[in-house]
Amino acid sequence: DQQVKQNSPSLSVQEGRISILNCDYTNSMFDYFLWYKKYPAEGPTFLISISSIKDKNEDGRFTVFLNKSAKHLSLHIVPSQPGDSAVYFCAASSINQAGTALIFGKGTTLSVSS
Amino acid sequence: GAGVSQSPSNKVTEKGKDVELRCDPISGHTALYWYRQRLGQGLEFLIYFQGNSAPDKSGLPSDRFSAERTGESVSTLTIQRTQQEDSAVYLCASSSPPGNEKLFFGSGTQLSVL
Repeated sequence: DQQVKQNSPSLSVQEGRISILNCDYTNSMFDYFLWYKKYPAEGPTFLISISSIKDKNEDGRFTVFLNKSAKHLSLHIVPSQPGDSAVYFCAASSINQAGTALIFGKGTTLSVSS
Repeated sequence: GAGVSQSPSNKVTEKGKDVELRCDPISGHTALYWYRQRLGQGLEFLIYFQGNSAPDKSGLPSDRFSAERTGESVSTLTIQRTQQEDSAVYLCASSSPPGNEKLFFGSGTQLSVL
């Protein structure tokens, strides 16, 4: 049973427009959420995170929104750039459950066309 | 080195053979994780080491899989009697508290079982 779900396997966006990647989770114990970005033949790299005490975290062109009641988070990239084309993984953990690993979604492949 | 190092980068083996994958975490990182990504799938948690605590082996898919870590250094993931469904990219990551959730990944080992 997937605890972290990314229901859109792919997304195509034009350069300059907004990219919105979605993620849903089922475990109410999750209280820390992260987005990772992965290029082919490389390991995932950390992009941005959000704690459950917040509903928004912004870092440059990247903003993560958290809706705890809906158990939903989204990553907004604006403006999108061709270099943003990659696989984006949503991940979740429970800070209070020490010794637990991050749970990842299946990823969304973002393609930004110029 | 500065990052997580994995070896080999590629491994081709015959069904039924044993393989050993190696991970050198970032120096000083107390937590070490193994994930795998099969073709078209997301990141699947395998095993997690945190300091001197007992490892979380809940993600290991069968008893053919095992992993060891010596102190807070190198880890090896061993797959015995490999099967074709073991073909995947095996990713190692490390992290250090605080911010134990921010993982630093290696580039992975591409395992192909023929």
